[in-house]
Amino acid sequence: GEDVEQSLFLSVREGDSSVINCTYTDSSSTYLYWYKQEPGAGLQLLTYIFSNMDMKQDQRLTVLLNKKDKHLSLRIADTQTGDSAIYFCAEITPGNTPLVFGKGTRLSVIA
Amino acid sequence: DAGVIQSPRHEVTEMGQEVTLRCKPISGHNSLFWYRQTMMRGLELLIYFNNNVPIDDSGMPEDRFSAKMPNASFSTLKIQPSEPRDSAVYFCASSWGTGGGGSNQPQHFGDGTRLSIL
Repeated sequence: GEDVEQSLFLSVREGDSSVINCTYTDSSSTYLYWYKQEPGAGLQLLTYIFSNMDMKQDQRLTVLLNKKDKHLSLRIADTQTGDSAIYFCAEITPGNTPLVFGKGTRLSVIA
Repeated sequence: DAGVIQSPRHEVTEMGQEVTLRCKPISGHNSLFWYRQTMMRGLELLIYFNNNVPIDDSGMPEDRFSAKMPNASFSTLKIQPSEPRDSAVYFCASSWGTGGGGSNQPQHFGDGTRLSIL
């Protein structure tokens, strides 16, 4: 079955870059998503990438997709304290299936 | 634009009581999802609906859990009787998708209901 794996914790200093990694098992994934969850809130869509793309950039966010290795990463440039949150990777595959989420990576930004 | 609206935001009740969680999806969305989030198990999909019809309820933990979607703008998740191990944050999400989300349209989440069963 489908599986999405992420490391659970990441700690970075304010101003540094953060890189959050994700691996998935289903090679038929069509879209891959990054969601952000701040304390006490729901998941908020940050960005997504179509499976035929290698990279997508959106302001401080860069998404890299290595389809051969089934590896997705989210780079946050100039990380700020407001970026402290849990980041979820998710994939969707063709057909009548909902998103498959990873367990989330808790990013802590140290001032 | 109104997002996904969940109520109540917090619920504290004693074990054995019935609990009803409510969700209003984004207008125009045709898929609705119920999730449970705990520290131990992360985010779990409980059930999802497409065009008000339950498509997959294999994530519902036990017969004590039931979900309904009587119309396109309202869904409930009921736990009866509730137990302390049901304590979690319950999220509702909606999207525009064919047959359960198989498109590039992402899911939009509500802010969740934090449920504590004493």
